[in-house]
Amino acid sequence: DADVTQTPRNRITKTGKRIMLECSQTKGHDRMYWYRQDPGLGLRLIYYSFDVKDINKGEISDGYSVSRQAQAKFSLSLESAIPNQTALYFCATSPGSGGWETQYFGPGTRLLVL
Amino acid sequence: DQQVKQNSPSLSVQEGRISILNCDYTNSMFDYFLWYKKYPAEGPTFLISISSIKDKNEDGRFTVFLNKSAKHLSLHIVPSQPGDSAVYFCAASEKDNDMRFGAGTRLTVKP
Repeated sequence: DADVTQTPRNRITKTGKRIMLECSQTKGHDRMYWYRQDPGLGLRLIYYSFDVKDINKGEISDGYSVSRQAQAKFSLSLESAIPNQTALYFCATSPGSGGWETQYFGPGTRLLVL
Repeated sequence: DQQVKQNSPSLSVQEGRISILNCDYTNSMFDYFLWYKKYPAEGPTFLISISSIKDKNEDGRFTVFLNKSAKHLSLHIVPSQPGDSAVYFCAASEKDNDMRFGAGTRLTVKP
């Protein structure tokens, strides 16, 4: 079983709809992250959480919100989707031991907003 | 404002030869650097890292070099294999801060 799972893997939605992407992990890591990948721009951080009560904005948080329901779950919401939110979204985790950390990524969710 | 730049979108090399992927950064506070590898329909997977106290780190066929004065790092793959064909992302972070990624370089290793 994968350590970091994302649901759904693919989603098509319409402009203005609310959508939630979910991430679960079995690695026991404290820290979780949401990124989006766009061609030519690499991965950009949307939000991150260092523990259940901690939420932090990343580089591009506008238009997104997150919820850390439990140590193992971190969901990303688009309250009113727009076409330029069409992208590949990745969830990642890291141990939370502090200092330099390696992040471990889920398989991604491909989102198309029409 | 991209703090981590991979200026070559693609690279093609022959099997058995050396692959050299390059990365430049602008933030002098970065002190930890990583390379990730990504296959289609999968998430990025960690490949190798280096801290700013070193200038070289080696793991099998993969070696990362860091030149702090030039704010440049490179990944060497020797010998290159067809299975190495993937997109490679360079990433950098300050301790306990968020990580910044480059745009990626697509490596193709031809048999």
